[in-house]
Amino acid sequence: ILNVEQSPQSLHVQEGDSTNFTCSFPSSNFYALHWYRWETAKSPEALFVMTLNGDEKKKGRISATLNTKEGYSYLYIKGSQPEDSATYLCAFIDYGQNFVFGPGTRLSVLP
Amino acid sequence: GAGVSQTPSNKVTEKGKYVELRCDPISGHTALYWYRQSLGQGPEFLIYFQGTGAADDSGLPNDRFFAVRPEGSVSTLKIQRTERGDSAVYLCASGYPGVANVLTFGAGSRLTVL
Repeated sequence: ILNVEQSPQSLHVQEGDSTNFTCSFPSSNFYALHWYRWETAKSPEALFVMTLNGDEKKKGRISATLNTKEGYSYLYIKGSQPEDSATYLCAFIDYGQNFVFGPGTRLSVLP
Repeated sequence: GAGVSQTPSNKVTEKGKYVELRCDPISGHTALYWYRQSLGQGPEFLIYFQGTGAADDSGLPNDRFFAVRPEGSVSTLKIQRTERGDSAVYLCASGYPGVANVLTFGAGSRLTVL
């Protein structure tokens, strides 16, 4: 059974603070890692696709890094805004195209 | 259609009843996934279709759960003899196989078993 963990489970920050959270996954049979953002009452939407060890991706104020050898990825948000409030999910994909999601990190940005 | 469509959006049923949840994926997407999200948890994998066949059904919790995709497009998740523990949001997602191909999720079907 593949185990994908995310920490912290939830996070409350003030508007303007920078924050980061972690996705841990098996370091073997790695194919890709995806990050998704899931806002309340909406469907999860893809943020990043990461494949290579050392990958760094950026979209506006949000960025992510990947370490496949040790099995973790970090998601960073710089200068958090209330609209960043959402659950952030990572998904580990193995060579069998199996997507295994972590439990998510629930971020609340207070104005 | 433009996105992944799931129906019904909300279903309330009584314990012991039979339920069907439908997923209409994006046209042309060969991969289709069903997930279940219970309160406070991340999406839990149920079943993955590649075309018409179930490539991996290892996530189905027991034999009360069954899913089909007879023509390689629309999929139906069937739950027999529902139990209160089946209450969750059932998410469907579709995509193309391949590392860069992210999943597109539907809005989910919220099932409540009384």
